[in-house]
Amino acid sequence: NAGVTQTPKFQVLKTGQSMTLQCAQDMNHEYMSWYRQDPGMGLRLIHYSVGAGITDQGEVPNGYNVSRSTTEDFPLRLLSAAPSQTSVYFCASSSGASYTFGSGTRLTVV
Amino acid sequence: KQEVTQIPAALSVPEGENLVLNCSFTDSAIYNLQWFRQDPGKGLTSLLLIQSSQREQTSGRLNASLDKSSGRSTLYIAASQPGDSATYLCAVYNFNKFYFGSGTKLNVKP
Repeated sequence: NAGVTQTPKFQVLKTGQSMTLQCAQDMNHEYMSWYRQDPGMGLRLIHYSVGAGITDQGEVPNGYNVSRSTTEDFPLRLLSAAPSQTSVYFCASSSGASYTFGSGTRLTVV
Repeated sequence: KQEVTQIPAALSVPEGENLVLNCSFTDSAIYNLQWFRQDPGKGLTSLLLIQSSQREQTSGRLNASLDKSSGRSTLYIAASQPGDSATYLCAVYNFNKFYFGSGTKLNVKP
């Protein structure tokens, strides 16, 4: 099925570890983005990309890196995980006004 | 900085009631406003999109209105059903960024 695929669905990290959250879409959307969702705070934009080779920061970019080498993939890298990065992470892609969200990655940093 | 507020945070109603969810935003310079539904442990599903030039959109039992000048939107759900139980998120979109409210958690009792 066409859509946005996020892996893994669940992850537990120790403080200081690094990891990459994967996001792939097969709809040929130029725009992709990463959000984190915390209780009582809604979703907040981490980074976004308007096309391959182009990325920009969102509202809460510190501690995260992104790159966009292909249209399909937009991985999110945690450089040195901290407990404050415990959250649910959503990837989304868009062509125009229509947005498609992935099912999320639940990350716990201990 | 755009801020989006949703009231109430939670709502419990008996099946069959008509209900209104409220969303307010601080910066009227928006491209569009969307209402999303989120089921527990799931991603977001777009329900209605209102372009900045529009006043309302309807889909089945759902009707969303937008008053950009006052920074308000409402989502009206007619004849609520237990299957409508979910968290409803409002988001305003501009300059490649979504700004989300923290959501209204709706419980429709049979």
